[in-house]
Amino acid sequence: KNQVEQSPQSLIILEGKNCTLQCNYTVSPFSNLRWYKQDTGRGPVSLTIMTFSENTKSNGRYTATLDADTKQSSLHITASQLSDSASYICVVKGGSYIPTFGRGTSLIVHP
Amino acid sequence: GAGVSQSPSNKVTEKGKDVELRCDPISGHTALYWYRQSLGQGLEFLIYFQGNSAPDKSGLPSDRFSAERTGGSVSTLTIQRTQQEDSAVYLCASSLAGMRETQYFGPGTRLLVL
Repeated sequence: KNQVEQSPQSLIILEGKNCTLQCNYTVSPFSNLRWYKQDTGRGPVSLTIMTFSENTKSNGRYTATLDADTKQSSLHITASQLSDSASYICVVKGGSYIPTFGRGTSLIVHP
Repeated sequence: GAGVSQSPSNKVTEKGKDVELRCDPISGHTALYWYRQSLGQGLEFLIYFQGNSAPDKSGLPSDRFSAERTGGSVSTLTIQRTQQEDSAVYLCASSLAGMRETQYFGPGTRLLVL
């Protein structure tokens, strides 16, 4: 069964600090992996997409990594801002057009 | 242009009533997805439309749920005889065709069944 597990479930950090969110998946075959940001009361917004051959991809202060051998991905947020407070969702697409979603990591950035 | 829009943004209904949720996808997007997001849970796939092909309804939890997409654009998700466990956020997403295409999500409809 295709699964996506994220950790931690929730995280609280101080403004300006860095943090790393983890995603482990068992989706097979693998097509691509996305990280989404979901602000409270809004729909998810795509941050990055990674395919099998990509190890690292950045989008501003967000850097995603992918290890296709161990089926792990991480999302690193640098110099966090209050606006980074949101849920971060790891989504993996396999051989089907239906993606598998993780439950998300809830990040709170305190001033 | 405009993103994906959904209406209503919030809906409170009584158990046993029918509800209709609407999704307006981005113009030109042939793929449309409905998902359900319950508190503390990941997004749950409900149904997928792609162009004029028959929809993939494999995610619909019961025969009380149905959806249609008229003219390849607007979609309506209907829940008949609502139950309290139907309370959730219902998200719609659209994309261009293709496995790598980004899904663009609407803001969701928050459904509360009393």
